Order: sequence, then structure tokens, then C-alpha cells
Amino acid sequence: GAVVSQHPSRVICKSGTSVKIECRSLDFQATTMFWYRQFPKQSLMLMATSNEGSKATYEQGVEKDKFLINHASLTLSTLTVTSAHPEDSSFYICSAHRLGDSYNEQFFGPGTRLTVL
Amino acid sequence: DAKTTQPTSMDCAEGRAANLPCNHSTISGNEYVYWYRQIHSQGPQYIIHGLKNNETNEMASLIITEDRKSSTLILPHATLRDTAVYYCIVRGETSNFGNEKLTFGTGTRLTIIP
Repeated sequence: GAVVSQHPSRVICKSGTSVKIECRSLDFQATTMFWYRQFPKQSLMLMATSNEGSKATYEQGVEKDKFLINHASLTLSTLTVTSAHPEDSSFYICSAHRLGDSYNEQFFGPGTRLTVL
Repeated sequence: DAKTTQPTSMDCAEGRAANLPCNHSTISGNEYVYWYRQIHSQGPQYIIHGLKNNETNEMASLIITEDRKSSTLILPHATLRDTAVYYCIVRGETSNFGNEKLTFGTGTRLTIIP
């Protein structure tokens, strides 16, 4: 099966600092990666769609200058939460679409729990 | 993408079949039905998808009504590990595979009872 990893799995930081979260497709190349956010007892909300080598497409209401996405290769996308505040505390999940798949299955990472103090 | 409606929660006895319904009455002809599940504090996991024929894989079966306005996900012999939130998602397929985003609703919280 296709495996997606995220690092770190858990991070605690002080308010005002920046946090980088990595999303890697371990055994496949990903044409597109997606970033989601999930608050407690709520569903996943798509934040942005990123394609390798191009700018990410952000969903309405998501600040692109606060949530920086870099998709530098077909196996790695990063999300940087800049100047994090307590309201950014959430479960961040990435997913990837495998290059060559003829349908739209997404493979999800295990998630990163961010706590901002 | 068409809107889906699922029950908020369901219980099922361990070892029995779990049948999770989903209504998607506004589904259009080129839209597929996808099922994912999310175990607590983990990323979602793909289960199965279909267009109009019933589908079966090692995890589950998907039964789609003839008019395609509803479907049922069946876990044939539920185990405690199947306790999760199950999401039914309807989305179209285009030739631009990979750029199609998934819109998650609130899903069904399935609890398997020992």
C-alpha cells in the first residue's frame, strides 16, 4: 500500500513562534498533496491543495501568508504555521494522490497535533 | 459535489455486520461514492468507492441503490478495531486526476460493542 508519513507527530510551541510540518510519500510519487485541519470533535477541513513545483491553492478563509506551503518535490510537502497562536492549535493532516492512479483516492498521513501555548 | 447525509452515530455488536447508510439524493451521473474512515487521532483511511455497481474488497462491501440516491457500506464481521468515524463522500471524476479535493461531512461515529 501507499504510505504517507508526517513529522513531527506532535509539537508544542510558544505563541509567536513558527512551526514546520513535513508530509512525505514514502513509496510513491505524489502529483498533488492536500493539507487539512481538524479541531476537536469536528470534521476535517481542507486548507490548501499543493502541486509539485507550483503555488498552493488555498481554500477560502485560509491565510496563505500564515500557512506557508512548499511542495518542492514529488515526495515532500511542508506546511509552516507562522507566528502561531493558541487558536492555531489543531490536528493537521496531509494527504497525497499517487502519480499514475486512474481514480482519485487520497492516502492520508497520520496527522500532526499542534499545541500552541 | 453532491451533499451527503449520514446518521450521527451507530452501535454494532462485535462479530455482526455493520451497515452504514448514506443518502446522496442529488448525486449526478459522473459522481462516485467514496468511503473513508478515521480512527481516533489518526489520519483517514480509504475504504472503498463505486459508481453504480456494487463493490467489494478485503475491507468492506458497498451497495449502491439502482437510482444511486443512497448507498450502504457493509463491514461483514465488525471488530473492536472498526470503531471509527465513517465518512461518505460524493465527488466527480475528471481527467485531471489528483486535483480533486475531498469534502468531509460530519460522518457516522460507529461504535463496536464487545
